[in-house]
Amino acid sequence: DQQVKQNSPSLSVQEGRISILNCDYTNSMFDYFLWYKKYPAEGPTFLISISSIKDKNEDGRFTVFLNKSAKHLSLHIVPSQPGDSAVYFCAVTSGTYKYIFGTGTRLKVLA
Amino acid sequence: GAGVSQSPSNKVTEKGKDVELRCDPISGHTALYWYRQSLGQGLEFLIYFQGNSAPDKSGLPSDRFSAERTGGSVSTLTIQRTQQEDSAVYLCASRRTGGETQYFGPGTRLLVL
Repeated sequence: DQQVKQNSPSLSVQEGRISILNCDYTNSMFDYFLWYKKYPAEGPTFLISISSIKDKNEDGRFTVFLNKSAKHLSLHIVPSQPGDSAVYFCAVTSGTYKYIFGTGTRLKVLA
Repeated sequence: GAGVSQSPSNKVTEKGKDVELRCDPISGHTALYWYRQSLGQGLEFLIYFQGNSAPDKSGLPSDRFSAERTGGSVSTLTIQRTQQEDSAVYLCASRRTGGETQYFGPGTRLLVL
């Protein structure tokens, strides 16, 4: 029973357009949410996070939106660049040590 | 070093042999995690250390897997009598006390023939 789901295994977007990556979770106890980016043959790198007291957090081209009532998280990248092509993982935690990761979405930004 | 390091970066072994994977966390990070990523899968939690103790080993797949951490720093993950299904990327992450962000190493790619 997956507690965190990324239902789109892959996504292709034209350079300059917006990329929207989605993540759904099942447990309302989760209160901190993170996005990681992973290039091939490298470990995941932290991208952006949001706590449950907010509904939006922005960092440059990256914005994370949190809809607590829908238990839905999304990452917006605008404008998308070819260097953004990677696998994106969402992760959730409930203030304990444990993090649960989604299965990832492979983003391909087409030049 | 500035980041989490792992060694070896790649390991090819024969079925039945033991392997040892090493993780050097970011200096001062008390929390350390091991994850496994099999081909096409997400990150599977294996074990969590707080300091030298492991309060949660629930993710270890079998008793062939063990891990230790010494001096609140370096950790080793040992897989005994490796099987082909152990082939995966093994990732280590560390986190400072009170922080919410994990920082990952580059991983060890294990291939069991």
